[in-house]
Amino acid sequence: QQQVKQSPQSLIVQKGGISIINCAYENTAFDYFPWYQQFPGKGPALLIAIRPDVSEKKEGRFTISFNKSAKQFSLHIMDSQPGDSATYFCAATSDSNYQLIWGAGTKLIIKP
Amino acid sequence: DAGVIQSPRHEVTEMGQEVTLRCKPISGHNSLFWYRQTMMRGLELLIYFNNNVPIDDSGMPEDRFSAKMPNASFSTLKIQPSEPRDSAVYFCASSRDSLGANVLTFGAGSRLTVL
Repeated sequence: QQQVKQSPQSLIVQKGGISIINCAYENTAFDYFPWYQQFPGKGPALLIAIRPDVSEKKEGRFTISFNKSAKQFSLHIMDSQPGDSATYFCAATSDSNYQLIWGAGTKLIIKP
Repeated sequence: DAGVIQSPRHEVTEMGQEVTLRCKPISGHNSLFWYRQTMMRGLELLIYFNNNVPIDDSGMPEDRFSAKMPNASFSTLKIQPSEPRDSAVYFCASSRDSLGANVLTFGAGSRLTVL
């Protein structure tokens, strides 16, 4: 019940295309869902996050879509650029918890 | 702020040797996390400190692993004796808050190779 399932494991998208990464969770107590971006040789860094009281959050080319009833959330990267090539992790936690539950990660490659 | 600083960035050692990884968290952050990252297991939380006190060490693999946080600006993760299966990237992360929507700031990691 503590798992966050992330898919796909890897993704190749043409420059200018839309990248979509999906995550699903079971624990209905989760109420904070961040996405972290990790470049090779670096640690993960917070990219964007959402609370379940909204269905969508947009920051620039990055959008989180959230479906509370399905217990799913996804990251959309519009107009994908080679600089977006990285590993993306979804995660989940609750306000009463210190521990993030991490997805397995998606390696995204944007082809020029 | 220089961010979370980890050292060494790379460590190659032989099985049985002691390894010490170091972390300087961001000033003012009261929570510190040690993570291990491998291809097979992803990101694993090893130990969590709050206000320099270890709160949860349930992720520490076995007694060979130990962690300390003697003050708010320094933490160590020690492996003694090291084994090849300990090869991984070890990350330290800190955050201002302890619960919920706290933003983790990660260091660049220490890549450990045990031969």
